[in-house]
Amino acid sequence: AQSVSQHNHHVILSEAASLELGCNYSYGGTVNLFWYVQYPGQHLQLLLKYFSGDPLVKGIKGFEAEFIKSKFSFNLRKPSVQWSDTAEYFCAVNAGSGYALNFGKGTSLLVTP
Amino acid sequence: SQTIHQWPATLVQPVGSPLSLECTVEGTSNPNLYWYRQAAGRGLQLLFYSVGIGQISSEVPQNLSASRPQDRQFILSSKKLLLSDSGFYLCAWGQNEKLFFGSGTQLSVL
Repeated sequence: AQSVSQHNHHVILSEAASLELGCNYSYGGTVNLFWYVQYPGQHLQLLLKYFSGDPLVKGIKGFEAEFIKSKFSFNLRKPSVQWSDTAEYFCAVNAGSGYALNFGKGTSLLVTP
Repeated sequence: SQTIHQWPATLVQPVGSPLSLECTVEGTSNPNLYWYRQAAGRGLQLLFYSVGIGQISSEVPQNLSASRPQDRQFILSSKKLLLSDSGFYLCAWGQNEKLFFGSGTQLSVL
């Protein structure tokens, strides 16, 4: 069965620090990969997604993620975080069109001024 | 444009009482619909998904059930709530591998 692992459950960074959140999945076939973000008091929203092509994908608000197929990973990065990036981040995977998304447990990011 | 409505926003129910959470989608037809639960410290868990009217797939056995009586309506139910049913429930619809989430229902079972 598919599973998604996010290694860091809680991350605390100072503003301007670099961010990398880990995400690994277990599935042998073709996958679609996503990062969702949930800001305090707001809905989940899509940050970025990878279906195919360039394994380095860029999303909103300066975030990017790199798909490394050999490592079954899809880590989220941002060179310089801001206080407004404080949120919960979820990695998600599905096996393609029509398949439900499986989410990781989430990583809570706190950015301090 | 497509919109998704979920209600109620918060709900406090005693153990053993029934549950009905409703979700409706507008602006699209034959969407894939999903119920997720976000329990503290456990992330997002897929509960049910539906690819069409009357078609429900359950991912996790439990005392919850789901129904899809109409194309754009998805209902999460329980006959008798347990304490462990407390959590944040999210309805979502999917298009082109992208999920759009509702605003969620915070359920507290006391």
